[in-house]
Amino acid sequence: EAEVAQSPRYKITEKSQAVAFWCDPISGHATLYWYRQILGQGPELLVQFQDESVVDDSQLPKDRFSAERLKGVDSTLKIQPAELGDSAMYLCASSWGTGGNTEAFFGQGTRLTVV
Amino acid sequence: GENVEQHPSTLSVQEGDSAVIKCTYSDSASNYFPWYKQELGKGPQLIIDIRSNVGEKKDQRIAVTLNKTAKHFSLHITETQPEDSAVYFCAASMGNAGNMLTFGGGTRLMVKP
Repeated sequence: EAEVAQSPRYKITEKSQAVAFWCDPISGHATLYWYRQILGQGPELLVQFQDESVVDDSQLPKDRFSAERLKGVDSTLKIQPAELGDSAMYLCASSWGTGGNTEAFFGQGTRLTVV
Repeated sequence: GENVEQHPSTLSVQEGDSAVIKCTYSDSASNYFPWYKQELGKGPQLIIDIRSNVGEKKDQRIAVTLNKTAKHFSLHITETQPEDSAVYFCAASMGNAGNMLTFGGGTRLMVKP
């Protein structure tokens, strides 16, 4: 069964350091999302891509976060510098495309701890 | 923007009993309502969804109902089993915004054997 792949599964970093997460969506899925999930809360959208283009990054803290999907396939989310409040689960999801009403499939996530 | 409220935050039931989780949404333009199950340390897994042109959908022990007028939808799990224990999230999206999901706060379901 096709899955959304994310790495690493766990990451511990010191504050002020840079950290990066990688996501490989299900093959053929044009839309890719990065969500952040704080412990005990629901996921919140950070950025949405349609192919290689950003569709929505209104909730992405652009002073420290960046995301790219250069070839419209896999994607990288970067934080520099990391802050204590960035500790969370970072989830990647993908779906066939925009137009709504298409299922979004999530990866296992990357658990980030900033110390 | 869309706001999704989910209740209860925790739910404990005896094995074999039914469990009901309720969500309300704020934007009448929302037309797609998925439910996700999240086990500890894993990503959310889609378990059932409903679209605005349908009032109810059932899949084995799981059913979802939608009341568009009242802007609320519910997840019903019958004959609960210990393996149903997890955190459940409801979500809502508007088709014209791609598939950006707004999630509720989650319900931790505990099924006691």
